Amino acid sequence: EVQLVESGGGLVKPGGSLRLSCAASGFTFSSYSMNWVRQAPGKGLEWVSSISSSSSYIYYADSVKGRFTISRDNAKNSLYLQMNSLRAEDTAVYYCAREITGTKWFDPWGQGTLVTVSS
Amino acid sequence: NFMLTQPHSVSESPGKTVTISCTRSSGSIASNYVQWYQQRPGSAPTTVIYEDNQRPSGVPDRFSGSIDSSSNSASLTISGLKTEDEADYYCQSYDSSNLWVFGGGTKLTVL
Repeated sequence: EVQLVESGGGLVKPGGSLRLSCAASGFTFSSYSMNWVRQAPGKGLEWVSSISSSSSYIYYADSVKGRFTISRDNAKNSLYLQMNSLRAEDTAVYYCAREITGTKWFDPWGQGTLVTVSS
Repeated sequence: NFMLTQPHSVSESPGKTVTISCTRSSGSIASNYVQWYQQRPGSAPTTVIYEDNQRPSGVPDRFSGSIDSSSNSASLTISGLKTEDEADYYCQSYDSSNLWVFGGGTKLTVL
């Protein structure tokens, strides 16, 4: 069974840092691009970042560019999101999602991890 | 830059048919595939339509997708509505400038 499990969320003060992880299983992780998508409380989905299978191509939404860094470790079947200079508006559930090869859509998604930025 | 605009909410009775629209603000709706995701309360999104009109295995054929170039929009149609279809639905597309774009979401109420 294809599974994605996020971890690392929590409460952090404005200006602080947090590192999210996503553990993948049930598929050949190294063959797929991976993404982070977030959802603020009561709001819609917002794409955050994408990384190709070999980390050759990395993209960020303008809202997080320069503050967030996506990375992966194919040997550990893991995806990461290093979040620095956090702001209140970064408060959201963060989902990792697999990108279907050769397409620009996501399946499946993890269950999400909540990041709360508050003093 | 483009946006995808969805109605905030729709409602319909069980057994009926509902259509949710997703209008692209600039650029052709046909230039990149549109996907639709269903999100039930407290759960992660799941795909109900990919590449405009394709259904993943396990998604009932009551769900269908289409695009209309004349209105520059995509549509998700759900027929034979069931109470279990009550959820938020998001359209999503892509282009090389904006990368991955989601619509604002539509809350479907089945009453």
